[in-house]
Amino acid sequence: ETGVTQTPRHLVMGMTNKKSLKCEQHLGHNAMYWYKQSAKKPLELMFVYNFKEQTENNSVPSRFSPECPNSSHLFLHLHTLQPEDSALYLCASSTLFRRDARTRQETQYFGPGTRLLVL
Amino acid sequence: AQKITQTQPGMFVQEKEAVTLDCTYDTSDPSYGLFWYKQPSSGEMIFLIYQGSYDQQNATEGRYSLNFQKARKSANLVISASQLGDSAMYFCAMREGRGDSWGKLQFGAGTQVVVTP
Repeated sequence: ETGVTQTPRHLVMGMTNKKSLKCEQHLGHNAMYWYKQSAKKPLELMFVYNFKEQTENNSVPSRFSPECPNSSHLFLHLHTLQPEDSALYLCASSTLFRRDARTRQETQYFGPGTRLLVL
Repeated sequence: AQKITQTQPGMFVQEKEAVTLDCTYDTSDPSYGLFWYKQPSSGEMIFLIYQGSYDQQNATEGRYSLNFQKARKSANLVISASQLGDSAMYFCAMREGRGDSWGKLQFGAGTQVVVTP
Protein backbone atom coordinates (compact mmCIF):
# COMPACT_ATOMS: atom_id res chain seq x y z
CA GLU A 1 0.00 0.00 0.00
CA THR A 2 1.42 3.38 -0.99
CA GLY A 3 2.39 5.49 2.04
CA VAL A 4 0.05 8.42 1.49
CA THR A 5 -2.93 8.19 -0.83
CA GLN A 6 -5.26 10.89 -2.05
CA THR A 7 -8.62 10.72 -3.79
CA PRO A 8 -9.77 11.86 -6.19
CA ARG A 9 -6.71 12.51 -8.29
CA HIS A 10 -8.57 14.97 -10.49
CA LEU A 11 -11.64 17.05 -9.73
CA VAL A 12 -13.61 19.57 -11.73
CA MET A 13 -16.28 21.48 -9.87
CA GLY A 14 -18.51 24.48 -10.29
CA MET A 15 -18.45 27.39 -7.89
CA THR A 16 -21.71 26.30 -6.26
CA ASN A 17 -20.70 22.68 -5.73
CA LYS A 18 -19.67 20.98 -2.52
CA LYS A 19 -16.96 18.35 -2.72
CA SER A 20 -14.43 16.70 -0.44
CA LEU A 21 -10.83 15.66 -0.86
CA LYS A 22 -9.63 12.62 1.03
CA CYS A 23 -6.17 11.73 2.28
CA GLU A 24 -5.10 8.52 3.98
CA GLN A 25 -1.69 7.64 5.37
CA HIS A 26 -0.42 4.12 6.06
CA LEU A 27 2.84 5.11 7.73
CA GLY A 28 1.79 5.20 11.36
CA HIS A 29 2.28 8.97 11.50
CA ASN A 30 0.41 11.27 13.83
CA ALA A 31 0.64 14.60 12.04
CA MET A 32 -1.08 15.43 8.76
CA TYR A 33 -0.98 18.48 6.52
CA TRP A 34 -2.79 20.11 3.62
CA TYR A 35 -0.79 22.15 1.13
CA LYS A 36 -1.86 24.15 -1.89
CA GLN A 37 0.34 24.40 -4.97
CA SER A 38 -0.71 27.04 -7.49
CA ALA A 39 1.04 27.77 -10.74
CA LYS A 40 4.09 29.99 -10.30
CA LYS A 41 3.81 30.06 -6.50
CA PRO A 42 5.75 28.20 -3.84
CA LEU A 43 3.94 25.45 -2.01
CA GLU A 44 1.67 26.96 0.67
CA LEU A 45 0.85 25.25 3.94
CA MET A 46 -2.89 25.38 4.66
CA PHE A 47 -3.59 23.25 7.74
CA VAL A 48 -1.72 21.08 10.22
CA TYR A 49 -3.21 18.39 12.46
CA ASN A 50 -1.28 16.77 15.30
CA PHE A 51 -2.98 13.82 16.96
CA LYS A 52 -6.25 14.83 15.27
CA GLU A 53 -6.07 18.35 16.72
CA GLN A 54 -5.76 21.28 14.35
CA THR A 55 -2.61 23.15 15.31
CA GLU A 56 -2.24 25.38 12.29
CA ASN A 57 -4.61 27.31 10.07
CA ASN A 58 -2.56 29.44 7.76
CA SER A 59 -5.20 32.14 7.18
CA VAL A 60 -7.17 29.88 4.88
CA PRO A 61 -10.61 31.11 3.69
CA SER A 62 -13.57 29.42 5.36
CA ARG A 63 -14.70 27.88 2.06
CA PHE A 64 -12.00 25.30 2.84
CA SER A 65 -12.94 23.19 5.83
CA PRO A 66 -10.58 20.46 7.07
CA GLU A 67 -11.56 17.41 9.07
CA CYS A 68 -9.33 14.87 10.78
CA PRO A 69 -11.40 12.02 12.26
CA ASN A 70 -8.32 9.97 13.20
CA SER A 71 -4.55 9.99 12.77
CA SER A 72 -4.77 8.15 9.46
CA HIS A 73 -7.39 10.18 7.64
CA LEU A 74 -7.65 13.79 6.62
CA PHE A 75 -10.36 15.48 4.61
CA LEU A 76 -10.66 18.85 2.96
CA HIS A 77 -14.27 19.91 2.42
CA LEU A 78 -14.79 22.41 -0.34
CA HIS A 79 -17.77 24.69 -0.89
CA THR A 80 -18.46 27.81 -2.96
CA LEU A 81 -14.93 27.85 -4.31
CA GLN A 82 -13.56 30.47 -6.67
CA PRO A 83 -11.68 29.91 -9.95
CA GLU A 84 -8.48 31.12 -8.26
CA ASP A 85 -8.74 28.11 -5.94
CA SER A 86 -7.82 25.88 -8.88
CA ALA A 87 -4.55 24.23 -7.89
CA LEU A 88 -2.87 21.01 -6.90
CA TYR A 89 -3.78 20.09 -3.33
CA LEU A 90 -1.21 17.96 -1.59
CA CYS A 91 -1.57 16.02 1.60
CA ALA A 92 1.42 15.05 3.72
CA SER A 93 2.07 13.20 6.97
CA SER A 94 4.90 12.93 9.45
CA THR A 95 5.74 11.78 12.92
CA LEU A 96 4.90 14.32 15.60
CA PHE A 97 7.86 16.61 16.08
CA ARG A 98 8.97 17.93 19.44
CA ARG A 99 9.90 21.37 20.73
CA ASP A 100 13.44 20.27 21.37
CA ALA A 101 16.35 21.73 19.47
CA ARG A 102 18.17 18.41 19.60
CA THR A 103 15.32 16.28 18.30
CA ARG A 104 15.70 15.17 14.71
CA GLN A 105 13.27 17.00 12.49
CA GLU A 106 10.79 14.51 11.12
CA THR A 107 10.34 14.24 7.39
CA GLN A 108 7.01 14.90 5.75
CA TYR A 109 5.85 12.38 3.17
CA PHE A 110 3.45 13.52 0.50
CA GLY A 111 0.59 11.98 -1.40
CA PRO A 112 0.14 12.25 -5.18
CA GLY A 113 -2.14 15.25 -4.92
CA THR A 114 -5.56 16.19 -6.23
CA ARG A 115 -5.66 18.48 -9.25
CA LEU A 116 -8.64 20.74 -8.74
CA LEU A 117 -10.23 22.88 -11.41
CA VAL A 118 -12.96 25.30 -10.39
CA LEU A 119 -15.15 26.57 -13.22
CA ALA B 1 10.49 37.58 3.43
CA GLN B 2 11.45 34.59 1.32
CA LYS B 3 13.26 32.09 3.49
CA ILE B 4 14.32 29.68 0.76
CA THR B 5 15.84 30.87 -2.50
CA GLN B 6 16.36 28.73 -5.55
CA THR B 7 17.90 30.93 -8.21
CA GLN B 8 17.78 28.45 -11.11
CA PRO B 9 14.29 28.27 -12.60
CA GLY B 10 15.34 25.59 -15.09
CA MET B 11 18.28 23.47 -16.18
CA PHE B 12 19.14 21.04 -18.93
CA VAL B 13 21.55 18.27 -18.13
CA GLN B 14 22.86 15.45 -20.24
CA GLU B 15 22.27 11.87 -19.19
CA LYS B 16 25.04 10.42 -16.99
CA GLU B 17 26.34 13.85 -16.06
CA ALA B 18 26.21 15.35 -12.57
CA VAL B 19 24.05 18.38 -11.81
CA THR B 20 24.06 20.79 -8.90
CA LEU B 21 20.89 22.56 -7.83
CA ASP B 22 21.37 25.69 -5.75
CA CYS B 23 19.53 26.50 -2.56
CA THR B 24 20.18 29.26 -0.06
CA TYR B 25 18.20 29.83 3.09
CA ASP B 26 17.63 32.51 5.65
CA THR B 27 17.19 31.81 9.33
CA SER B 28 18.47 33.06 12.66
CA ASP B 29 17.41 29.86 14.39
CA PRO B 30 20.34 27.60 15.32
CA SER B 31 18.08 24.55 14.99
CA TYR B 32 16.67 23.81 11.56
CA GLY B 33 16.34 21.09 8.98
CA LEU B 34 16.81 21.25 5.24
CA PHE B 35 15.01 19.00 2.80
CA TRP B 36 15.01 18.33 -0.90
CA TYR B 37 11.97 17.01 -2.70
CA LYS B 38 11.43 15.91 -6.28
CA GLN B 39 8.13 16.50 -8.05
CA PRO B 40 7.61 14.70 -11.36
CA SER B 41 4.90 15.83 -13.74
CA SER B 42 2.52 13.40 -12.02
CA GLY B 43 2.46 15.78 -9.05
CA GLU B 44 3.64 13.67 -6.15
CA MET B 45 6.26 15.30 -3.94
CA ILE B 46 8.99 12.71 -3.32
CA PHE B 47 11.36 13.12 -0.40
CA LEU B 48 15.02 12.82 -1.45
CA ILE B 49 17.36 13.90 1.31
CA TYR B 50 17.57 15.65 4.68
CA GLN B 51 20.27 17.68 6.43
CA GLY B 52 20.03 18.81 10.04
CA SER B 53 21.70 22.01 11.15
CA TYR B 54 23.71 20.12 13.77
CA ASP B 55 24.78 17.33 11.45
CA GLN B 56 28.55 17.25 11.12
CA GLN B 57 28.67 15.51 7.77
CA ASN B 58 26.96 16.23 4.48
CA ALA B 59 23.97 14.00 3.86
CA THR B 60 24.05 11.41 1.10
CA GLU B 61 21.34 9.10 -0.24
CA GLY B 62 22.35 7.00 -3.21
CA ARG B 63 22.95 9.33 -6.15
CA TYR B 64 21.87 12.35 -4.13
CA SER B 65 24.20 14.33 -1.92
CA LEU B 66 23.73 17.60 -0.14
CA ASN B 67 26.55 20.14 -0.17
CA PHE B 68 25.86 21.86 3.15
CA GLN B 69 27.78 25.08 3.74
CA LYS B 70 26.42 26.40 7.00
CA ALA B 71 28.35 29.66 7.12
CA ARG B 72 27.11 30.56 3.64
CA LYS B 73 23.59 29.27 4.43
CA SER B 74 23.72 27.11 1.38
CA ALA B 75 22.33 23.59 0.86
CA ASN B 76 22.91 22.58 -2.73
CA LEU B 77 21.69 19.26 -4.05
CA VAL B 78 24.04 17.25 -6.23
CA ILE B 79 22.63 14.51 -8.44
CA SER B 80 25.33 12.27 -9.81
CA ALA B 81 25.02 10.24 -13.02
CA SER B 82 21.73 11.80 -14.13
CA GLN B 83 19.06 9.54 -15.55
CA LEU B 84 16.12 10.35 -17.80
CA GLY B 85 13.82 9.62 -14.87
CA ASP B 86 15.42 12.48 -12.94
CA SER B 87 13.54 14.99 -15.10
CA ALA B 88 11.30 16.78 -12.63
CA MET B 89 10.84 19.86 -10.50
CA TYR B 90 13.14 19.96 -7.48
CA PHE B 91 12.23 21.83 -4.31
CA CYS B 92 14.40 22.87 -1.42
CA ALA B 93 12.60 23.28 1.90
CA MET B 94 13.43 24.29 5.46
CA ARG B 95 11.89 23.75 8.82
CA GLU B 96 12.98 25.95 11.71
CA GLY B 97 13.08 24.77 15.30
CA ARG B 98 11.65 27.71 17.22
CA GLY B 99 9.28 30.62 17.14
CA ASP B 100 6.17 31.02 15.04
CA SER B 101 7.70 29.05 12.20
CA TRP B 102 8.25 26.00 14.37
CA GLY B 103 7.31 22.88 12.51
CA LYS B 104 6.33 24.63 9.26
CA LEU B 105 7.97 23.37 6.11
CA GLN B 106 8.83 26.35 3.91
CA PHE B 107 9.49 25.72 0.26
CA GLY B 108 11.52 27.46 -2.41
CA ALA B 109 10.16 28.19 -5.87
CA GLY B 110 11.77 25.10 -7.34
CA THR B 111 14.14 24.25 -10.19
CA GLN B 112 12.90 22.40 -13.28
CA VAL B 113 15.45 19.82 -14.41
CA VAL B 114 15.29 18.23 -17.85
CA VAL B 115 17.64 15.34 -18.53
CA THR B 116 18.44 14.84 -22.19
CA PRO B 117 19.77 11.66 -23.87
